[in-house]
Amino acid sequence: AQKVTQAQTEISVVEKEDVTLDCVYETRDTTYYLFWYKQPPSGELVFLIRRNSFDEQNEISGRYSWNFQKSTSSFNFTITASQVVDSAVYFCALSEESSGAGGTSYGKLTFGQGTILTVHP
Amino acid sequence: KAGVTQTPRYLIKTRGQQVTLSCSPISGHRSVSWYQQTPGQGLQFLFEYFSETQRNKGNFPGRFSGRQFSNSRSEMNVSTLELGDSALYLCASSSPGRGVSGANVLTFGAGSRLTVL
Repeated sequence: AQKVTQAQTEISVVEKEDVTLDCVYETRDTTYYLFWYKQPPSGELVFLIRRNSFDEQNEISGRYSWNFQKSTSSFNFTITASQVVDSAVYFCALSEESSGAGGTSYGKLTFGQGTILTVHP
Repeated sequence: KAGVTQTPRYLIKTRGQQVTLSCSPISGHRSVSWYQQTPGQGLQFLFEYFSETQRNKGNFPGRFSGRQFSNSRSEMNVSTLELGDSALYLCASSSPGRGVSGANVLTFGAGSRLTVL
């Protein structure tokens, strides 16, 4: 069974601080995707980043960066120079491959418990 | 490009009733997934539909069911509502494909918030 653990329940920082959200996952699949989603108070889950299991290259996208390490099954997410608008609940998620007639899909996600990030002005 | 549309956004039901929630995916997306979000259990997978076929089902009782139509629109139904079914129900759609930019990224709707009294 797949499992995603976000050890940090809540994080509070002051604006312009860097903040790293931790995520550890468990899976027996060899092909999978890892995601970070953000859920602001409005409730809609907003896609942030995705990484597939066969590409460990870490990247930076604007103020976001991530560190994917298969050896430790970790997929940590960093926000640089945080802003008040970054305040939200952040979810790490792991997808599961499903094959059948018509092709392969990855619609089943296992989510972590979420990390509440509060950025104070 | 229109996003994922869920209706209704809010609804109140009483125990024992049934409810049907609707989801219109992004045009061209063939996979539709449903999730339940509660404060106690977090985000839990309900089911995934792909080309009108149920691909996966989460660990929920048979009272929870769904279907997908030929235009990829999906509905989920909960019968004999219980207080514990009060939750935010999220629908997500995705376009399958390996190595295709944007493929397999679930785009979520704003959700349907169900309150059971």
